[in-house]
Amino acid sequence: KNQVEQSPQSLIILEGKNCTLQCNYTVSPFSNLRWYKQDTGRGPVSLTIMTFSENTKSNGRYTATLDADTKQSSLHITASQLSDSASYICVVSPPFSGGYNKLIFGAGTRLAVHP
Amino acid sequence: DAGITQSPRYKITETGRQVTLMCHQTWSHSYMFWYRQDLGHGLRLIYYSAAADITDKGEVPDGYVVSRSKTENFPLTLESATRSQTSVYFCASSFSDRGGNSPLHFGNGTRLTVT
Repeated sequence: KNQVEQSPQSLIILEGKNCTLQCNYTVSPFSNLRWYKQDTGRGPVSLTIMTFSENTKSNGRYTATLDADTKQSSLHITASQLSDSASYICVVSPPFSGGYNKLIFGAGTRLAVHP
Repeated sequence: DAGITQSPRYKITETGRQVTLMCHQTWSHSYMFWYRQDLGHGLRLIYYSAAADITDKGEVPDGYVVSRSKTENFPLTLESATRSQTSVYFCASSFSDRGGNSPLHFGNGTRLTVT
């Protein structure tokens, strides 16, 4: 069964520090891999998207990387801010899937940034 | 403002009652989706719709009914609520169904408690 596993489940860091969140997937190849940020009490919002052939994609202080050999994606947050406190969700779209009904969601990593 | 709106934000209902969750989007996106989010699980697709009057089951459709008479509205009905349907429900929309290449735009969710 195609799966997306995220680690750690939760993480606490101090403001200004960097952190890296992991996403391991089994479906390979895939159409794209996307990271969403979900603030408490809000819906997820797309941060980055990568195709199977891309290695890295940045969005401000957020950088997503992809290692197709190890079937792992990482989301690196630089110089964290209090507003980075949120859940981060990894989503993989299988190839030739015919649509969004085949998206595979990870359970997310809950990040807390403390002052 | 344009966007996707869910109502109510919070709902408490009793077992066996019928309850309808509303979703309205102003982008004229063709595709709309209902997900549920439970602790320890990734978002799970309940139903989706490719256009007005076209709906299809997702991963966990049992106990739910949807309709889409207008492009902008996609209500979700729990015909006879059960405690296992206690969850946070998210509506989402997208203008493209090309293998997930376009992001999902989520509402802010409805937190439903079934007592």
